[in-house]
Amino acid sequence: QSVLTQPPSVSGAPGQRVTISCTGSSSNIGAGFDVHWYQHFPGTTPKLLIYGNTNRPSGVPDRFSGSKSGTSASLAITGLQAEDEADYYCQSYDRSLSGWVFGGGTKLTVL
Amino acid sequence: EVQLVENGGGLIQPGGSLRLSCAVSGFSVTSTYMSWVRQAPGKGLEWVSVIYSGGSTYHADSVKGRLTISRDTSKNTVYLQMNSLRVEDTAVYYCARTHDYKYYMDVWGNGTTVTVAS
Repeated sequence: QSVLTQPPSVSGAPGQRVTISCTGSSSNIGAGFDVHWYQHFPGTTPKLLIYGNTNRPSGVPDRFSGSKSGTSASLAITGLQAEDEADYYCQSYDRSLSGWVFGGGTKLTVL
Repeated sequence: EVQLVENGGGLIQPGGSLRLSCAVSGFSVTSTYMSWVRQAPGKGLEWVSVIYSGGSTYHADSVKGRLTISRDTSKNTVYLQMNSLRVEDTAVYYCARTHDYKYYMDVWGNGTTVTVAS
């Protein structure tokens, strides 16, 4: 059971918009700690996709965007492409655990 | 070039020990936080340990007392000493550069696989 809750899977057709939710609590997201998102293709290295709730590292397309409100955050992907099919993880810091926490991961399928 | 290269994984029996290393190039291990993150087969990412720029260390409850993070500044390398290994420690272990007050991980190594089995 992950501290941050994500849907196990989402799907969408090419060109569509999908969102992935990340729900935490008052000891992590709700405590003001930032949410970060990673894209992970199985067998490869995880890649930082969004940091500080809404910021994209250099090279990440603006089709990817993040938001945060209260104890939750979301990752939105617009103009869905086949190469977006991957696992996506949210991550924050938890003050009760004094450590980093990840969501369980969401598998994105492009139909 | 910023690069992290992990080594030291392998097959080990339950109760055994292993030491993973993460050789860092392109920045100093004392300039930032460094973490170990693992992914068990079929599971998600799990944070394991962190070493702060000042040298303080913290570990996830699931590994506390068995896995220990450390560093050698002369070699610019971070280590994960793994003792009393359990089957559930089987995973790909990644080291990652970790931002020191925003807490995100912006550079990751390719990972090294640890298999604990008899």
